[in-house]
Amino acid sequence: ELKVEQNPLFLSMQEGKNYTIYCNYSTTSDRLYWYRQDPGKSLESLFVLLSNGAVKQEGRLMASLDTKARLSTLHITAAVHDLSATYFCAGLRGGSQGNLIFGKGTKLSVKP
Amino acid sequence: EAQVTQNPRYLITVTGKKLTVTCSQNMNHEYMSWYRQDPGLGLRQIYYSMNVEVTDKGDVPEGYKVSRKEKRNFPLILESPSPNQTSLYFCASSSTDPLNRVRNEKLFFGSGTQLSVL
Repeated sequence: ELKVEQNPLFLSMQEGKNYTIYCNYSTTSDRLYWYRQDPGKSLESLFVLLSNGAVKQEGRLMASLDTKARLSTLHITAAVHDLSATYFCAGLRGGSQGNLIFGKGTKLSVKP
Repeated sequence: EAQVTQNPRYLITVTGKKLTVTCSQNMNHEYMSWYRQDPGLGLRQIYYSMNVEVTDKGDVPEGYKVSRKEKRNFPLILESPSPNQTSLYFCASSSTDPLNRVRNEKLFFGSGTQLSVL
C-alpha cells in the first residue's frame, strides 16, 4: 500500500535562504506530484514528475524525482515571502488509474 | 473560463440529514475526484471517476456515495452525515492520458466546501 511521507511538516525560513522539502513514498508510484495551497484557498498544481531523474523548475522552485530511493524533493532557492504556503506531494497508487495518495503537507513560512 | 465549481461553499447540517455537495467542470474532463482535508491529515481521496458511469473508491469512502451520470457533474452524497464527516471537501478534475490514467499535469481543484455536521 502506498504511503507518502513529507518532512518537515513545518518550515520557517528567512528570505533569501535555500531549503529542501522531502517526500518519501513507500512503494512504486507511476508518478509524483507537487501542489501548493495558500491559506484558506484551494490547491494549485505545481509539478508532475514521471520518471527517474526527472527535474522540473519554475521560478524559485525545483522538483526532482529519484524512483530508486523513492524520494522526491522540492528545492526552494532564495526564498521570498510570496512562497509562504503549504506544499503537498502526492503519488499515484501503483496499478491505479486515479487513486491519489497525498502527504500531510509542509507548511512553509518565509520571514523577512 | 476553465473552472471546477463546487456548491455550497459552506454548509452546516445536523446528524442524519441527507445532503449533496455538487461539483461541475466545464473542461470536458474525463477524470473527477473528491477529497477531504482535515488538519494534520492532509488530503485524503474519497472517490474518483475515470469517466461517465465509472467510479472507484479512494482511501476513505465510508459514509459517502457518488454518481457520474454526466461527464461534467460529480456530486458527493452523504446519506446520513455524522460529526466525523465535518471537514473541508475539494472536488478536482483532469483529462486522462493515452493509457486512461489521470493526467494530472493540470489537476483543477474547486474552491472547497466547508461542511460542519452537528
